[in-house]
Amino acid sequence: KAGVTQTPRYLIKTRGQQVTLSCSPISGHRSVSWYQQTPGQGLQFLFEYFSETQRNKGNFPGRFSGRQFSNSRSEMNVSTLELGDSALYLCASSLVDSYEQYFGPGTRLTVT
Amino acid sequence: GIQVEQSPPDLILQEGANSTLRCNFSDSVNNLQWFHQNPWGQLINLFYIPSGTKQNGRLSATTVATERYSLLYISSSQTTDSGVYFCAVEPGNTGNQFYFGTGTSLTVIP
Repeated sequence: KAGVTQTPRYLIKTRGQQVTLSCSPISGHRSVSWYQQTPGQGLQFLFEYFSETQRNKGNFPGRFSGRQFSNSRSEMNVSTLELGDSALYLCASSLVDSYEQYFGPGTRLTVT
Repeated sequence: GIQVEQSPPDLILQEGANSTLRCNFSDSVNNLQWFHQNPWGQLINLFYIPSGTKQNGRLSATTVATERYSLLYISSSQTTDSGVYFCAVEPGNTGNQFYFGTGTSLTVIP
């Protein structure tokens, strides 16, 4: 079975631009979560989608948004990029609640 | 939210040595996983272990949920074990929201 895939793997954007990242979960998984990893803050939860509904959102500004499609693929969007948004963005999928989570390879975003 | 503390923060071992990594958490959890982050950033699943003991080759893990801690044991360490090890917990009322510890950075020298 294919693992979680994320595209693109690397991205360089300019401050003020917006960006869209994509995540395809493991086949059959309906829960998709997003995390941001930075050297200063570590791994922080962004949001989680289950059956196209956002169930939880972390403590991030409204510039961070996401959605999930009927095939469980998910996208996250960051508008008006700031230098501090430079990070590794990780996506995870899970079959059901409180079950094993599987992470994708991540998208490394650099904002200049 | 739930607090997750990992110790030690850094660990340097000679190849062949054994080590124990600890994860303490501040509240009851429904899910606990150990991950190894490779140099490219991907989190590799080591154990899904909300309670009990599991073993996988040279690695084993134990979670004592009632006492709110988990241990990851690495035996006969190899240079390929180097990297950062994370413990992540999910309290069970947050819809798959994980809380991560700050990690243990392991360096195995030949």
